[in-house]
Amino acid sequence: SAVISQKPSRDICQRGTSLTIQCQVDSQVTMMFWYRQQPGQSLTLIATANQGSEATYESGFVIDKFPISRPNLTFSTLTVSNMSPEDSSIYLCSVEAGLVNTEAFFGQGTRLTVV
Amino acid sequence: RKEVEQDPGPFNVPEGATVAFNCTYSNSASQSFFWYRQDCRKEPKLLMSVYSSGNEDGRFTAQLNRASQYISLLIRDSKLSDSATYLCVVKNTGNQFYFGTGTSLTVIP
Repeated sequence: SAVISQKPSRDICQRGTSLTIQCQVDSQVTMMFWYRQQPGQSLTLIATANQGSEATYESGFVIDKFPISRPNLTFSTLTVSNMSPEDSSIYLCSVEAGLVNTEAFFGQGTRLTVV
Repeated sequence: RKEVEQDPGPFNVPEGATVAFNCTYSNSASQSFFWYRQDCRKEPKLLMSVYSSGNEDGRFTAQLNRASQYISLLIRDSKLSDSATYLCVVKNTGNQFYFGTGTSLTVIP
């Protein structure tokens, strides 16, 4: 299994500002994933963060808006830049772990409200 | 077409009832299948993996039908604590996870 510590757990931010979310894993993992979950919706993958290379972004998400850092195999950050109310959502980091049927483990999530 | 589709519910059932959730996936090459549980304002947590032979964990039974690309979750003897959103999750050959929209369950006293 994997234990993931994500912070902040929640924040209320002014539009136009940026917020950086941190994710710390208790073991070394190759890939870390960042998801967004809007109210009443399921999880949407924003990007995959690989150590030593640029993150891979999904359609509809760009690096300028969601820059990601991955300085080592246990840590990653996601920044939500130039925020607008539409960015209000829960942001979750995730890793894949397990011996046989590798499953996804999640951080506790960051509940972001942009006002 | 969405990668994973499931009935969003809500399902409102009395304690002790049996309830079944269904899910279909579009990619026939998908490798792994899971049911996750998400409580309100919490992160998703693995409930159980789903195997072709079917698997059971206490009151929970998961089934996979690869031919029909269909996954199910059966909950017997529902408890109040089973109230949550249940997410159907599929992992494809690229090791990417795809999540259904979730099925909301409320167990009523």
